[in-house]
Amino acid sequence: DSGVTQTPKHLITATGQRVTLRCSPRSGDLSVYWYQQSLDQGLQFLIQYYNGEERAKGNILERFSAQQFPDLHSELNLSSLELGDSALYFCASSVDLGLAGGHGELFFGEGSRLTVL
Amino acid sequence: TQLLEQSPQFLSIQEGENLTVYCNSSSVFSSLQWYRQEPGEGPVLLVTVVTGGEVKKLKRLTFQFGDARKDSSLHITAAQPGDTGLYLCAGLGTSYGKLTFGQGTILTVHP
Repeated sequence: DSGVTQTPKHLITATGQRVTLRCSPRSGDLSVYWYQQSLDQGLQFLIQYYNGEERAKGNILERFSAQQFPDLHSELNLSSLELGDSALYFCASSVDLGLAGGHGELFFGEGSRLTVL
Repeated sequence: TQLLEQSPQFLSIQEGENLTVYCNSSSVFSSLQWYRQEPGEGPVLLVTVVTGGEVKKLKRLTFQFGDARKDSSLHITAAQPGDTGLYLCAGLGTSYGKLTFGQGTILTVHP
């Protein structure tokens, strides 16, 4: 158990719909990351938050958005869903940013499997 | 953009064989992490190597960081079916602290 909690574990929806994925980081971790994993694309970095502020953006589509709340949990919103959005979405947390001597090791949740029909 | 190339992409071996997975880049990393992911679960951190030339052992797994901190390898001795999974390397950039993942190596160990 990594201490990172993601809900829901599985989600099936239709094209054009909107879903929200939720993540609770490990206790004490200020940084939250979102990744998308599909068979042909590997683990793709979407976005990172640190203590409520957006820190870095990766290959995140404009139809996707995220936020980190004051209690440090995070949500990833996916809208106007397309078939190609079907993937595993992982949240990870870390205690530091990999700066000032830290190594930014990530602790991953078990993922949310999104299927768009 | 920092890229990490992992090889091989797929590895299918018999129980008891040895194997090595490589992680290469033209960029220097301040540290490199190895993760293992089993089907239906999230990646789990195995080890972090920090110093050029560093070697770390975790039971039958040996991790090495290249002298120039641009590459790393994972060697598994006497592989077992329980080693089956996706192995991912991830390098931490020197300036910003960005973590870059390799594409992964899918290892299957047959009994």
